[in-house]
Amino acid sequence: EVQLLESGGELVQPGGSLRLSCAASGFTFSSNAMHWVRQAPGKGLEWVSVIGGRGGGIYYADSVKGRFTISRDNSKNTLFLQMNSLRAEDTAVYYCAKEKDAFDIWGQGTMVTVSS
Amino acid sequence: QAGLTQPPSVSKGLRQTATLTCTGNSNNVGNQGAAWLQQHQGHAPKLLSYRKNNRPSGISERFSAARSGNTASLTITGLQPEDEADYYCSAWDSSLSAWVFGGGTKLTVL
Repeated sequence: EVQLLESGGELVQPGGSLRLSCAASGFTFSSNAMHWVRQAPGKGLEWVSVIGGRGGGIYYADSVKGRFTISRDNSKNTLFLQMNSLRAEDTAVYYCAKEKDAFDIWGQGTMVTVSS
Repeated sequence: QAGLTQPPSVSKGLRQTATLTCTGNSNNVGNQGAAWLQQHQGHAPKLLSYRKNNRPSGISERFSAARSGNTASLTITGLQPEDEADYYCSAWDSSLSAWVFGGGTKLTVL
């Protein structure tokens, strides 16, 4: 069964840092681009970042560029999102999603709350 | 980054047909088409359709997608209570080098 499991979300103060993980199973991880997509409480989906299967092809949304870094460890079938200089507006559920033509498989999400 | 435009809400009756729209430009929807996702309250999104009208396995034939110019559409026939959800469109924007989402349409089945 194809599965994505996010972790690492928690309450963090403004200006702080957090590292999210997404453990993948049930498919050839290195063959697929992977995304992070977030959803603020009561709001719509917002794309955050993508990374190609071999670690290239990295792109970011303007709202996180320079603060967030996406990476992956194909030996451990794990996707990461390093988030620095966090702001209140980064508060959201963060989903990882596998790309096969589009976002075909999603994790259950992990909640990040930025507040003092 | 500019997103795609979707109507905030659509209401239709049981067993009726709903058509949801998603308007972008020639750099996104008009270029490679749009993907459509369904999200029930409290759950992760689910892919319904990608590119022109490709459905992942397990997605009902009641869901069909199309595109005309810079506007994509999702038609849901024979509306069922379980179709009540938020629907999002998304596309790769070649000028922004970014994926963009629509604001979402809340579908109510009366």
